[in-house]
Amino acid sequence: KQEVTQIPAALSVPEGENLVLNCSFTDSAIYNLQWFRQDPGKGLTSLLLIQSSQREQTSGRLNASLDKSSGRSTLYIAASQPGDSATYLCADTGFQKLVFGTGTRLLVSP
Amino acid sequence: NAGVTQTPKFQVLKTGQSMTLQCAQDMNHEYMSWYRQDPGMGLRLIHYSVGAGITDQGEVPNGYNVSRSTTEDFPLRLLSAAPSQTSVYFCASSLGPGEGETQYFGPGTRLLVL
Repeated sequence: KQEVTQIPAALSVPEGENLVLNCSFTDSAIYNLQWFRQDPGKGLTSLLLIQSSQREQTSGRLNASLDKSSGRSTLYIAASQPGDSATYLCADTGFQKLVFGTGTRLLVSP
Repeated sequence: NAGVTQTPKFQVLKTGQSMTLQCAQDMNHEYMSWYRQDPGMGLRLIHYSVGAGITDQGEVPNGYNVSRSTTEDFPLRLLSAAPSQTSVYFCASSLGPGEGETQYFGPGTRLLVL
């Protein structure tokens, strides 16, 4: 059974800093890896989807990588802004049955 | 496109009451699913559907029923609400494998069972 872990549970950084969020999974036969953002009291917004045949995806200031052999994915956020403050979730999309990590709560201070 | 919509946004039930959480999408997605989100446990899959007339159980299906009579709608029924079903419920949809698996989520329904 796939298990997804995100450490740390919370992270606080000053504005402008580059940062990395980590996502670990136990089953290297991961299907695809998707990163989401969740604002307080809101639904999930998809950020990036990395298919199993890919190693990374980029969108604006965001870059996500996938290393199946080591069981890790990372989300790199460049030049962080206060508007990036949210909870970030990763998930194995496993044939439409997502397995989520518990998330990293990010606070970017002005 | 409205995307994925959910109603109601918030609901309070008494133990033993029944209700239906509504979910609809206007993106012609074949795949739809329901998740619940609880503090410290993340999101867990309740039920999912790969097309009209086809549903299956997820990780935590007990106490919930689903049906999929149309491509657009995927309601979740609580038969006899229990305090353990207090949670935030999210509906999601996607095109399906091979055509872009990006999952799109609704805004959620907050349910409190007293």
